[in-house]
Amino acid sequence: DAGVIQSPRHEVTEMGQEVTLRCKPISGHNSLFWYRQTMMRGLELLIYFNNNVPIDDSGMPEDRFSAKMPNASFSTLKIQPSEPRDSAVYFCASSLIHGARSDTQYFGPGTRLTVL
Amino acid sequence: DAKTTQPPSMDCAEGRAANLPCNHSTISGNEYVYWYRQIHSQGPQYIIHGLKNNETNEMASLIITEDRKSSTLILPHATLRDTAVYYCIVRVTHTGTASKLTFGTGTRLQVTL
Repeated sequence: DAGVIQSPRHEVTEMGQEVTLRCKPISGHNSLFWYRQTMMRGLELLIYFNNNVPIDDSGMPEDRFSAKMPNASFSTLKIQPSEPRDSAVYFCASSLIHGARSDTQYFGPGTRLTVL
Repeated sequence: DAKTTQPPSMDCAEGRAANLPCNHSTISGNEYVYWYRQIHSQGPQYIIHGLKNNETNEMASLIITEDRKSSTLILPHATLRDTAVYYCIVRVTHTGTASKLTFGTGTRLQVTL
């Protein structure tokens, strides 16, 4: 199993530019999560999807952030326009919800974003 | 989700057992205890989880007290590669829906020679 795949692994951009982060969940998983990690705030959930439908986006910081999941094998997190305070490591995770059993989330390697 | 309390840091000699404690005194009956770790510059890695019984897998053992107000993660033979931040997370799961993981500050485990 390839695990959760994220691209790019590193992204350096200038303030005001659009940034798109990509995630391919583990095949067969039906839930997908976007987290952000900074020194100041630690790991925090931005948004998650269940069966490609956004369930909770309360962690998305502001309208500059948007996330989509057009199909079960792909999701994007877009920042437009980007700002220096968006610099962080962004993680994608996926899990399989199956009945009443507890689901386990598996994380990708992350994308390190630097906004200059 | 219930809050957890972990020591900020611990040391362990290589080859010895590492015992990482976690307090979750406000845990509810339908909340699981999860452990993840994060090795420097990597994504969080799932270790183990449990509801009320002790659990063991190839990575670790999880001991949950009878009243479920605390737990201990045991790495039986720590190696240098186990140096990481370990997160104890209490999480309710709902039938048919996903739920988020709320990460605290964790315990930074340093394994030394």
